Parts: sequence; C-alpha cells; structure tokens
Amino acid sequence: GEDVEQSLFLSVREGDSSVINCTYTDSSSTYLYWYKQEPGAGLQLLTYIFSNMDMKQDQRLTVLLNKKDKHLSLRIADTQTGDSAIYFCAERESGGYNKLIFGAGTRLAVHP
Amino acid sequence: DTAVSQTPKYLVTQMGNDKSIKCEQNLGHDTMYWYKQDSKKFLKIMFSYNNKELIINETVPNRFSPKSPDKAHLNLHINSLELGDSAVYFCASSWDGNQPQHFGDGTRLSIL
Repeated sequence: GEDVEQSLFLSVREGDSSVINCTYTDSSSTYLYWYKQEPGAGLQLLTYIFSNMDMKQDQRLTVLLNKKDKHLSLRIADTQTGDSAIYFCAERESGGYNKLIFGAGTRLAVHP
Repeated sequence: DTAVSQTPKYLVTQMGNDKSIKCEQNLGHDTMYWYKQDSKKFLKIMFSYNNKELIINETVPNRFSPKSPDKAHLNLHINSLELGDSAVYFCASSWDGNQPQHFGDGTRLSIL
C-alpha cells in the first residue's frame, strides 16, 4: 500500500528556519498536505500543494515538492515557540475518494 | 463558530460497553470522515461518507458502525468496547474528493 515517511523529531532555536521533510510513494498522488497538531488539539490544515507545482509560499511557510524523488518539505521561517507542535505530511491517494495517507508526524521543538 | 465539532471531547468507559461519538459540520461540506489516532500519534482513516453514502470503509472491526443521518452529521457507534479501542478519534469534512479536509478537535476515548 501507499506509504508516507517523516523523521520523528526536529529541534531548532527560536528565530532559525525549520525544515521538515517527507517522502511518499504514490507517484500519481494529486495533492499533498501539511497539518499541524498542537498538544491536546485537533489537526489544523497549514497548507497544501497540487502535484503540478514545485513550490508554494504562504507567509512564513514554504512548501517544496520534488515529484521525481517523491519528496515534500515544509520550511518555517523565523521559527517561534508557538510553532512547537507535531507536523503531519499527508498524500491524497490516487484514484480514491479523497483518502489521505498520513506520515507518523514530526515533533518540532523550538528552544530559546 | 466551530466548523467541525465533536462530542464528547473525552469519553472514559469500561470494556464491553457500547458508546457513540457525534460529529457535526457547519461548513456545508458534502463529505465527512472518521480517523483514528493511536498512542503513537499515527493517523488512519476509518470511514468516509459522501452525501450520506458510505464511500470509504477501511479494515475496521464491524463493532464500529458509522451513521450519517444527513450530510452535516456523521456519528460513530462502537459496540463491545475493547482496550485496543483507546485512541483519539477525529472527524473531518471536505467539499468533495478534491478539496482539503478540515478536522475537529478529536474525542479522546479511554477504555478501563
């Protein structure tokens, strides 16, 4: 079946950039998503990218997509303590009814 | 106004009991979903309904039965609860099969 992989932990200093990486297996996937989950909370849609795009920028967030390598990244500029959370990468399974396959999540810790 | 709301937020019950979790969305979306997040934060889809019709039914024990009385509601009933059912259950909704999914805050189910 389809699979999405992420590194489990990332620690950065406040003010630095964070880069969270993700690889996926479904080369026909049309949409890829980034969700944020704060402790005890639900999933917040951060951004998403269509598969015919290479990059998408939204304020401090930059998404890069390398379709050839099936690699997706999320860059957070000027990382703040409020960015500490778990970040989930997800791919929309091709041919399905908007079925999302999630990675295990990357826990981002921001320290002073 | 909460877009996707789940009740209850916390549910603590004994093994063998039957319980229901309710979900409502006020976004006018056509499609709703149930996900399970285990203790390691791994998220997996369980069910999806489009306009009250079941369209995704993953390998889930038949003790779990979703019910959609109308397109704004998708409830999850669980019979004969087991210890392994302890998890956070998330409801989500989207416009259709190509649009991002918006999640509720989750229901934390604990089985004693």
